[in-house]
Amino acid sequence: DGGITQSPKYLFRKEGQNVTLSCEQNLNHDAMYWYRQDPGQGLRLIYYSQIVNDFQKGDIAEGYSVSREKKESFPLTVTSAQKNPTAFYLCASIFFRGGNTEAFFGQGTRLTVV
Amino acid sequence: RKEVEQDPGPFNVPEGATVAFNCTYSNSASQSFFWYRQDCRKEPKLLMSVYSSGNEDGRFTAQLNRASQYISLLIRDSKLSDSATYLCVVIPVTGGFKTIFGAGTRLFVKA
Repeated sequence: DGGITQSPKYLFRKEGQNVTLSCEQNLNHDAMYWYRQDPGQGLRLIYYSQIVNDFQKGDIAEGYSVSREKKESFPLTVTSAQKNPTAFYLCASIFFRGGNTEAFFGQGTRLTVV
Repeated sequence: RKEVEQDPGPFNVPEGATVAFNCTYSNSASQSFFWYRQDCRKEPKLLMSVYSSGNEDGRFTAQLNRASQYISLLIRDSKLSDSATYLCVVIPVTGGFKTIFGAGTRLFVKA
């Protein structure tokens, strides 16, 4: 089955540590996105990538980094520079094909700083 | 002004009511529009795309008004199971397909 997989589902990080969230898709989609969601809030765009080896900052990129070495993979690193990293992180992939455009989401990673 | 704005609600309605949500967007070059539904602590799921001519799927109707730059979602005969957060999504044709979600509108349908 095609889909988008995020791991881990729950992640605990000590203050000052970097952690990497995984996002893999086998849908052959070019565009991938990372969003952050805080309780009771909407999705805010962190980074996005249209093609391999290229990515752009979203609205809240500070304290985060990404890579796009393969079409299937778009890992997000939450660095120690991110002052308030506890949140729900969602990865999405989108295909654009004329009038047929749809965003597919992974099941999310809940990151908690302890 | 935010790129995509929604009334956060919450909307509290009785079963059987009709409820409407609006979502405004600032980028006139926006190309694709969607409504997503998100249940508590889950990932968003596609509810419906929004076409210029408007579209209907059962009790749900989506409309696009390009002149005024807003999209709407109408839910008729509300069910308890419609309780969720509804997110509008806007994808522009420029700017590298920077896909923006609205903050969401919470709906509570009560018996």
